[in-house]
Amino acid sequence: DTGVSQDPRHKITKRGQNVTFRCDPISEHNRLYWYRQTLGQGPEFLTYFQNEAQLEKSRLLSDRFSAERPKGSFSTLEIQRTEQGDSAMYLCASRYWEQTQYFGPGTRLLVL
Amino acid sequence: DQQVKQNSPSLSVQEGRISILNCDYTNSMFDYFLWYKKYPAEGPTFLISISSIKDKNEDGRFTVFLNKSAKHLSLHIVPSQPGDSAVYFCAASEDDGTSYGKLTFGQGTILTVHP
Repeated sequence: DTGVSQDPRHKITKRGQNVTFRCDPISEHNRLYWYRQTLGQGPEFLTYFQNEAQLEKSRLLSDRFSAERPKGSFSTLEIQRTEQGDSAMYLCASRYWEQTQYFGPGTRLLVL
Repeated sequence: DQQVKQNSPSLSVQEGRISILNCDYTNSMFDYFLWYKKYPAEGPTFLISISSIKDKNEDGRFTVFLNKSAKHLSLHIVPSQPGDSAVYFCAASEDDGTSYGKLTFGQGTILTVHP
């Protein structure tokens, strides 16, 4: 069984461009979370999916951010019109019924 | 409003000794607590967790203690090894149907174990 995977691992983009990240959770996990981590801080919650339903979004998730989980398996996080303040590590985590979340390796975004 | 706090940014310990990492929280609704280890440019790796109905959980060299009245938890690593050097995050969650188990993290503590 593989763990949570994320793609790409690194992304460099210019301000104003759109970017999309992908997360593949552990196969039997029906719950999926996105977090963002900036330097010197702990990860901060962005959004939560249970199966294909997006049930919670943080205030951190501005209208330039959108996330989907169309078939209840993999998820995508898109950032439109990127800004330099979007530079961060984007983390995906998944879990089943018990409360422990398992994280992927993250996607490091740098907006120039 | 920082609901989970790790007040020590760093900790330095000699190999073979005990490492004690501390974490305080303010939200009394948290019912599950976790410790993660993180290397630079990698995602957090789960270490150990504890439910609010317990006050201690042990897994090999790692033990987590929970003091609900003080809203405090700690992670003990015995004996410490150089490979334990990393950033350690404590996290807390509540899974009550509206919070959906999202994790609230502390700021992290950098542990350095010297040979």
